[in-house]
Amino acid sequence: QQPVQSPQAVILREGEDAVINCSSSKALYSVHWYRQKHGEAPVFLMILLKGGEQKGHEKISASFNEKKQQSSLYLTASQLSYSGTYFCGTEKSSGDKLTFGTGTRLAVRP
Amino acid sequence: NAGVTQTPKFQVLKTGQSMTLQCAQDMNHEYMSWYRQDPGMGLRLIHYSVGAGITDQGEVPNGYNVSRSTTEDFPLRLLSAAPSQTSVYFCASSYSSPGLTYEQYFGPGTRLTVT
Repeated sequence: QQPVQSPQAVILREGEDAVINCSSSKALYSVHWYRQKHGEAPVFLMILLKGGEQKGHEKISASFNEKKQQSSLYLTASQLSYSGTYFCGTEKSSGDKLTFGTGTRLAVRP
Repeated sequence: NAGVTQTPKFQVLKTGQSMTLQCAQDMNHEYMSWYRQDPGMGLRLIHYSVGAGITDQGEVPNGYNVSRSTTEDFPLRLLSAAPSQTSVYFCASSYSSPGLTYEQYFGPGTRLTVT
């Protein structure tokens, strides 16, 4: 069962912030985040394990709320290069198959 | 390292034809998988493998076969192509170890059109 991502799409001006959410109805072991530019393959951003940890990658960070089975990706002071589609992928246990959400399209305008 | 390679990059098939999409990785990854990507549907898992000789079904396996005879290669076979299989196909690989989770590396994709 695919995790649910919200919003489906967001448009930002350069320098603005955004939050992308990923939620699952099942208990999760990990949440992965990937970014895909148009016409390219998805590229890994970060992994979060159950335990409510947070991680950061440049000005992009994420959190994982194990009780809610929800992860959020935070993009601060957005840059033009942040444009693309963001996917979360979830694992129910270590080494399990990775199931992706339907993606969030992010467009950053000058 | 070439990473994950996929061939062909583009393919047009007629309904009923069969073909094999090739995927290879040179990173000695145990885990390999195939996804299809359709507008608004995200990445949907077709089949995956946790090592040579071991494969399992994902969310949308119907109409596709896989085998894993070596660690490096994980071909995807379309048995009898249908227009509903028009999509972009991505192969991905990662390390695999009990109790741990690793990032997936994606190939460049194969754009398949079935007429």
